Amino acid sequence: QTVVTQEPSLTVSPGGTVTLTCASSTGAVTSGYNANWFQQKPGQAPRALIYSATNKHSWTPARFSGSLLGGKAALTLSGVQPEDEAEYYCLLYYGGAQPSWVFGGGTKLTVL
Amino acid sequence: QVQLQESGPGLVKPSETLSLTCTVSGGSISNSIHYWGWIRQPPGKGLEWIGSVYYSGTTYFSPSLRGRVTMSVDTSKNQFSLKLNSVTAADTAVYYCARKGDSGYADWGQGTLVTVSS
Repeated sequence: QTVVTQEPSLTVSPGGTVTLTCASSTGAVTSGYNANWFQQKPGQAPRALIYSATNKHSWTPARFSGSLLGGKAALTLSGVQPEDEAEYYCLLYYGGAQPSWVFGGGTKLTVL
Repeated sequence: QVQLQESGPGLVKPSETLSLTCTVSGGSISNSIHYWGWIRQPPGKGLEWIGSVYYSGTTYFSPSLRGRVTMSVDTSKNQFSLKLNSVTAADTAVYYCARKGDSGYADWGQGTLVTVSS
């Protein structure tokens, strides 16, 4: 059973910078994992932020960026705003004979 | 802009089959670059990818649910569907449908809560 691991919780001050990571139990996360990042606020559907590890959607604020860092997928928020307080999920692709996607457990980001 | 809307019973009895439909508007389900997926979220918990279906009927499922889940597409109605059999309380969740294209899982429905209870 493949496991995708994220930090359960992180706290950042307004205006600060924070990096969330996403690791795979199968080894280093590379571009082939097509990492997606999502933001979810209470009572709302997830909103896509990043695809293919580094690409932003047209609606993704400029302060969000995705990367591959030290064998993990990473989501960095620079100049954090109070409205960035949310749950963040990564999603990784596992190819092969029976392709599948696996979500990470999510990171609760608190802006304090 | 594509919109997705889940529909189906909000209450299902244990051991029965959960059936949901996602209606797509603003885009064709037969577009060859898209897959159509289902994701769920138990109350207070994280997201779980259930599987995806292509307009041709090709399906991919989560290993943990394979054997209980089927998905299909109805191109005439621009809809795709999820069936999950032998449900238990552990299948209680908000179920989302989503579109996956070259830009990942970019478009989501609002979600529908399905409760498994007698």
